[in-house]
Amino acid sequence: DVKVTQSSRYLVKRTGEKVFLECVQDMDHENMFWYRQDPGLGLRLIYFSYDVKMKEKGDIPEGYSVSREKKERFSLILESASTNQTSMYLCASSLSQGRETQYFGPGTRLLVL
Amino acid sequence: DQQVKQNSPSLSVQEGRISILNCDYTNSMFDYFLWYKKYPAEGPTFLISISSIKDKNEDGRFTVFLNKSAKHLSLHIVPSQPGDSAVYFCAASLNAGNMLTFGGGTRLMVKP
Repeated sequence: DVKVTQSSRYLVKRTGEKVFLECVQDMDHENMFWYRQDPGLGLRLIYFSYDVKMKEKGDIPEGYSVSREKKERFSLILESASTNQTSMYLCASSLSQGRETQYFGPGTRLLVL
Repeated sequence: DQQVKQNSPSLSVQEGRISILNCDYTNSMFDYFLWYKKYPAEGPTFLISISSIKDKNEDGRFTVFLNKSAKHLSLHIVPSQPGDSAVYFCAASLNAGNMLTFGGGTRLMVKP
């Protein structure tokens, strides 16, 4: 069974703080993704990575950066958190390129005050 | 502008009846479509998919229909069960890629 874990289920931060969201997958997947989920907007892709140290911008990368130093771990970084980054953040992984199913973690609900 | 849209934010259905969830898309280059199901406090899980070379794909109680000319797909659940109550997202990809574009989701409530 594929398992994708996220470091926190709930997080409360203050405006301007640096925030790290961690994601780990245990199935040796090549691809990893970060999404945010907002009501009515569905899931929107922030960044993805298809290999260690590789990253690609998704649809809404502004205000975020990512790090992938090891294959199993993909971190999302909010350099200076803002209230409009309050959201549910979902990490996913998939085996390789092509029509591979994406497996999601349980999500981190971030509140920025 | 959203390229994948689910115009019904919610749907309520009686147990045993059919649930029909709809999804429209604008990008004619999309060639692969998926449905994901999401329970509260869990991540989305893959449900069923369809390639643009087909117009129907069936898996047990779940059937996805694709109408390319109308740029429309639908998910049918027959018979609906209370455990099907969840948020359903449709998603699309293009050119055999792994990047997905998601719709806004439809919350399905199946009443016993």
